[in-house]
Amino acid sequence: QVTLRESGPALVKPTQTLTLTCTCYGFSLNTSGMCVSWIRQPPGKALEWLARIDWDDDRYYTTSLKTRLTISKDTSKNQVVLTMTNLDAVDTATYYCARVQDDAFDIWGQGTMVTVSS
Amino acid sequence: QLVLTQSPSASASLGASVKLTCTLSSGHSSYAIAWLQQQPETGPRYLMKLNSDGSHIKGDGIPDRFSGSSSGAERYLTISSLQSEDEADYYCQTWGTGIVVFGGGTKLTVI
Repeated sequence: QVTLRESGPALVKPTQTLTLTCTCYGFSLNTSGMCVSWIRQPPGKALEWLARIDWDDDRYYTTSLKTRLTISKDTSKNQVVLTMTNLDAVDTATYYCARVQDDAFDIWGQGTMVTVSS
Repeated sequence: QLVLTQSPSASASLGASVKLTCTLSSGHSSYAIAWLQQQPETGPRYLMKLNSDGSHIKGDGIPDRFSGSSSGAERYLTISSLQSEDEADYYCQTWGTGIVVFGGGTKLTVI
């Protein structure tokens, strides 16, 4: 069964760096064509795409946050890691990872809520 | 610029049908999209990928009540025989070279 599970801190202080991990089950990040994206959703607001990493290590970032984001993968653990620097209250959101199949997000994790507050 | 536009809200009666619309920005009418459903307090669920010719591939376990169609720059999601659990936010999503775009979502109320 294909599932993804996000993990990371629930509370982060302003200006700190956030590190989120997406552990993937039921598929391999090494498989040709396999991609994983990170998406976030502030409370009561719409979804916002953040970044994507492909099986061949190609990486893509949303333009507005490109300077603050880094996406990487650890194929030995089948995990995708997202780091976001210089956190602010506006970064408070639920963060999701999702498998990308044929350009669509076909399997989503349950999400992890991150609050940025001092 | 690649943009998806959705109406903020829609409502329909239990047992009826509803058609939700997602509009692609000018110059992008050939793009495929995906439809997602987000029930209250849950993560999004993939419903289908919808091509410009109206052909669509649904996700595993998606009921036949959910269907997609296309006309020009418009992409539609039709839900028939509405059930209470269909009350949710519905998002469309598309992609370009190195970018992904979501619509603002439509909140569907089943009355």
